[in-house]
Amino acid sequence: DTEVTQTPKHLVMGMTNKKSLKCEQHMGHRAMYWYKQKAKKPPELMFVYSYEKLSINESVPSRFSPECPNSSLLNLHLHALQPEDSALYLCASSQEGRGRVDTGELFFGEGSRLTVL
Amino acid sequence: GQNIDQPTEMTATEGAIVQINCTYQTSGFNGLFWYQQHAGEAPTFLSYNVLDGLEEKGRFSSFLSRSKGYSYLLLKELQMKDSASYLCAAWGGKLIFGQGTELSVKP
Repeated sequence: DTEVTQTPKHLVMGMTNKKSLKCEQHMGHRAMYWYKQKAKKPPELMFVYSYEKLSINESVPSRFSPECPNSSLLNLHLHALQPEDSALYLCASSQEGRGRVDTGELFFGEGSRLTVL
Repeated sequence: GQNIDQPTEMTATEGAIVQINCTYQTSGFNGLFWYQQHAGEAPTFLSYNVLDGLEEKGRFSSFLSRSKGYSYLLLKELQMKDSASYLCAAWGGKLIFGQGTELSVKP
């Protein structure tokens, strides 16, 4: 199983809604990531979890709240978002999380396309 | 600071060879990656260089020169399905992506 699964694939929400994006991997990877990608732009790192602990927060606004319930799951809780937060949200995982990259490979999910009205 | 530069767009002909260049500056360095991303899809891993030299993998090769902060991705025998965005990414404590090069392969 070499997949990173993200749900939902599409999400439309209002600025007052609370929603969550979910990500799951069963490759035994110990690092998990959230990236945000706008159209025709590269992925921008938001958060990194290493061994279920938040290791990097790229100064992301508090309306985005990550959670790592266990080594296989990563959530992104959304509250009071703005229309400019509309983007593709990509989850990724990698084998080693303590500041090293063993295989050089991040496995990406297909993303959750978020539209904020 | 961290900076990664690559051309925005390239066009090539089916069956030809194309080279996509990337220059980088990172705080610390632990590898240079190339990813392919088709429109509306997730990035997929193509190659990883941590030492100087050429890494070959089928029709794709990647080269790294750490002293020059330079890498390239070489695609041979281009196919229409190779039309995609090619992202150069450097690991300096975290993976930072360049802007991506949109490659169009024409018949």
